[in-house]
Amino acid sequence: QKEVEQDPGPLSVPEGAIVSLNCTYSNSAFQYFMWYRQYSRKGPELLMYTYSSGNKEDGRFTAQVDKSSKYISLFIRDSQPSDSATYLCAMTRSGGSNYKLTFGKGTLLTVNP
Amino acid sequence: DVKVTQSSRYLVKRTGEKVFLECVQDMDHENMFWYRQDPGLGLRLIYFSYDVKMKEKGDIPEGYSVSREKKERFSLILESASTNQTSMYLCASNRDRGYEQYFGPGTRLTVT
Repeated sequence: QKEVEQDPGPLSVPEGAIVSLNCTYSNSAFQYFMWYRQYSRKGPELLMYTYSSGNKEDGRFTAQVDKSSKYISLFIRDSQPSDSATYLCAMTRSGGSNYKLTFGKGTLLTVNP
Repeated sequence: DVKVTQSSRYLVKRTGEKVFLECVQDMDHENMFWYRQDPGLGLRLIYFSYDVKMKEKGDIPEGYSVSREKKERFSLILESASTNQTSMYLCASNRDRGYEQYFGPGTRLTVT
C-alpha cells in the first residue's frame, strides 16, 4: 500500500462549482498536512497548511483533516479558471528529522469558463 | 515574502556533460532540498541539506551530488548527465523545526 494516494484526475468542472480534492494515507504518524498548487511548468506553491485533525479556512479554500479515517480534503468554493492547476497533498510526522515530506502525485484540475 | 530562485528555467545538455543547478533562498532557512518531478512518478527527493556543508541522501541520490558552501545556496551536480536525468528539478527550503517547504520555480533539464 502506498503511503499517500491521490486520484490523478483529470478533474474538469464549470466555473463557480465546488471542487473537492482528496488524499488518503496509511501512516498514522502523519500530523502535518499541506496542500500545494502547481501551475503548468512552475514550482509548487504552498496553499494551505494544517496540523492534526480539523478544518482550516482561507478565503475560498478549506482544508479538512480526518485522522481517524486517514483522509484529507481540499475544498474550493466558487471555483475560477485561475484555479486550473495540479494540486498536490503533502504530509509529514512530527518530531525527528523535519525533512521528509511525503507527497501525493497530484490531481489535475481544469475549471472551464 | 518567501523567495527561492533557481539559476535556469530551461537547460539543454548533452550526454556525459557535467551539469550544475543552482538554488538560492533569501529566508535564512536552515534546510534546503532538491527534488525531481516526473509524470506519473510525482516528486522524489534527491538530496537535502540541514546546515552548511551538511547533506543527506534522499530517495534517489544515484548519479547526483550536492554542495552547500553558504547557507543561502544549494547546488545540485550531475557528474555525467544521462538521458534518464531529463526531468523537472525543483529546489525547496524550510526553517529548522518547520514542516512546510517553499519551492523555487523549477529547472526543466533536457539531456540529449
